Amino acid sequence: DAKTTQPTSMDCAEGRAANLPCNHSTISGNEYVYWYRQIHSQGPQYIIHGLKNNETNEMASLIITEDRKSSTLILPHATLRDTAVYYCIVRVAHGAGSYQLTFGKGTKLSVIP
Amino acid sequence: DAGVIQSPRHEVTEMGQEVTLRCKPISGHDYLFWYRQTMMRGLELLIYFNNNVPIDDSGMPEDRFSAKMPNASFSTLKIQPSEPRDSAVYFCASTPSPPGANVLTFGAGSRLTVL
Repeated sequence: DAKTTQPTSMDCAEGRAANLPCNHSTISGNEYVYWYRQIHSQGPQYIIHGLKNNETNEMASLIITEDRKSSTLILPHATLRDTAVYYCIVRVAHGAGSYQLTFGKGTKLSVIP
Repeated sequence: DAGVIQSPRHEVTEMGQEVTLRCKPISGHDYLFWYRQTMMRGLELLIYFNNNVPIDDSGMPEDRFSAKMPNASFSTLKIQPSEPRDSAVYFCASTPSPPGANVLTFGAGSRLTVL
């Protein structure tokens, strides 16, 4: 799997956009970028994933650079409930062993009132 | 759907006792995963099943751990005998076959404390 690098922690003011970066410079052409988050005392929650095009859903937007070596998860209007650890994971979508997601340490996002 | 259901939510036991954790995946999901989370090691994949068959158990720490999936709607993770270092939160997750690949739905977890 491609290795990912995320900042240990970040703060964001409530109501502002939260931009969480992830570096994955060794990503392969068939590897997707996945984002999950884990709110305290809960199981991880899937947020979004993408291959090379920018993606948006009801939770967030995912911006992947043209060279695919980095990406940014954007929470457009952060709320206190978005305080969580955010994990960036790179993995092939299909094929042998594709389901073995490896969670790193992630970024601890604190949304400040 | 009620999501992935795990039981018990909390378990406190003494060293040497047998512990059984249970999981009911989302109906129709062909893949089931067991993860363990500790402060020191983070989230670790222990084992996963496809269509009730164990595919990869390389993450199972030692022979004291065993997992079964007797049918599509039920899985167990058993620790016998338990040790204090097994204290952790154990998560179960499920996902359908592609196109849901890697979009896992996790349960709320079972917090195990071994005294």
